[in-house]
Amino acid sequence: QKEVEQNSGPLSVPEGAIASLNCTYSDRVSQSFFWYRQYSGKSPELIMSIYSNGDKEDGRFTAQLNKASQYVSLLIRDSQPSDSATYLCAVTSPRDDKIIFGKGTRLHILP
Amino acid sequence: DARVTQTPRDKVTEMGQEVTMRCQPILGHNTVFWYRQTMMQGLELLAYFRNRAPLDDSGMPKDRFSAEMPDATLATLKIQPSEPRDSAVYFCASGPDRPYSYNEQFFGPGTRLTVL
Repeated sequence: QKEVEQNSGPLSVPEGAIASLNCTYSDRVSQSFFWYRQYSGKSPELIMSIYSNGDKEDGRFTAQLNKASQYVSLLIRDSQPSDSATYLCAVTSPRDDKIIFGKGTRLHILP
Repeated sequence: DARVTQTPRDKVTEMGQEVTMRCQPILGHNTVFWYRQTMMQGLELLAYFRNRAPLDDSGMPKDRFSAEMPDATLATLKIQPSEPRDSAVYFCASGPDRPYSYNEQFFGPGTRLTVL
């Protein structure tokens, strides 16, 4: 059974600080990794994708991937109240087209 | 501004009634996915299509749920008969035609279903 694990939170971070969200996955051959942001009552929105070990930066967001440890993380620099949302980690493997989603981490940025 | 559209946005029905949800994927996307989201279970994959062909519907209760793609611009998810435990938000997502390792998905706004 392929699994994606996330701490459900809530994770509370002061405004302006770095928020660090973590995710582990069980399928060793997973190749594509995504972070989705979901505001309450809204649909998931793709914010980052990463396919190779290392860091990938996009504005205030940095995704980090370590395939040996089966670990992917998302850093949000200079956190803003508008970053308050649930962040879903998602993973696919070359076996099929399906994405396996974690249950999400609720992030709360404290003004 | 390309986006996935879903109708209806909200549906309240009584137990035993048929419910049909519709999705228009982003033009040019060849994979379409149906998800159900609840607080307890999170996002559950119900079915997905590639080039309109159903590839996996193992997540669906077969006796009451059915998913089809009559053409490239329309995907449907039908529940007959509906039950209170089907109450959830149903999302459709579509993805572009890329090698398997680039399985980005873009979500529609969802249909909030309440079965009384």
